[in-house]
Amino acid sequence: NAGVTQTPKFRVLKTGQSMTLLCAQDMNHEYMYWYRQDPGMGLRLIHYSVGEGTTAKGEVPDGYNVSRLKKQNFLLGLESAAPSQTSVYFCAAQVIGQPQHFGDGTRLSIL
Amino acid sequence: SQKIEQNSEALNIQEGKTATLTCNYTNYSPAYLQWYRQDPGRGPVFLLLIRENEKEKRKERLKVTFDTTLKQSLFHITASQPADSATYLCAPYQLIWGAGTKLIIKP
Repeated sequence: NAGVTQTPKFRVLKTGQSMTLLCAQDMNHEYMYWYRQDPGMGLRLIHYSVGEGTTAKGEVPDGYNVSRLKKQNFLLGLESAAPSQTSVYFCAAQVIGQPQHFGDGTRLSIL
Repeated sequence: SQKIEQNSEALNIQEGKTATLTCNYTNYSPAYLQWYRQDPGRGPVFLLLIRENEKEKRKERLKVTFDTTLKQSLFHITASQPADSATYLCAPYQLIWGAGTKLIIKP
């Protein structure tokens, strides 16, 4: 039972490059989230989705886009990567009112 | 603005003692509060959820309290073990998270 799977696990980008992070869940949960985690700071919400075809902005959405074309997948895109986007990115899935299930993160470095 | 505060300094506890971690929140009243454990290189893992009408919740060696007057939750690990060493995060709800407290249990 995989739960929440994030790919890739590690990535190094140059400033200005683009990439997409994939989050896949096999639990049929309606809600999905993308967070970033930086040293000394809590998880900060980037975008979230309350169901297939819907997305909403979180606390720190600038520079990121998301899509939820299928219920099981939530994609996070960086159109033009900046060094300030160097971080660890976590995806989570949830049934509302219940705990969140997290993936093990994507470690992204922007040079 | 809504704020969650956890002790940013690492907490060092001798094995066998009780570890107590604090989570304070300001400028809102959550209906529930969650505690998660995070190990290095891994995502957070859910431990306990306590609702506003519950004063205390227990699970094995873990205990969580929720004081809506003080706007504070305490997380206790009794008979602590080195394997309990991790960072513990509190989250009043899924959109706001504390920065976590690193717990180190020394043999």
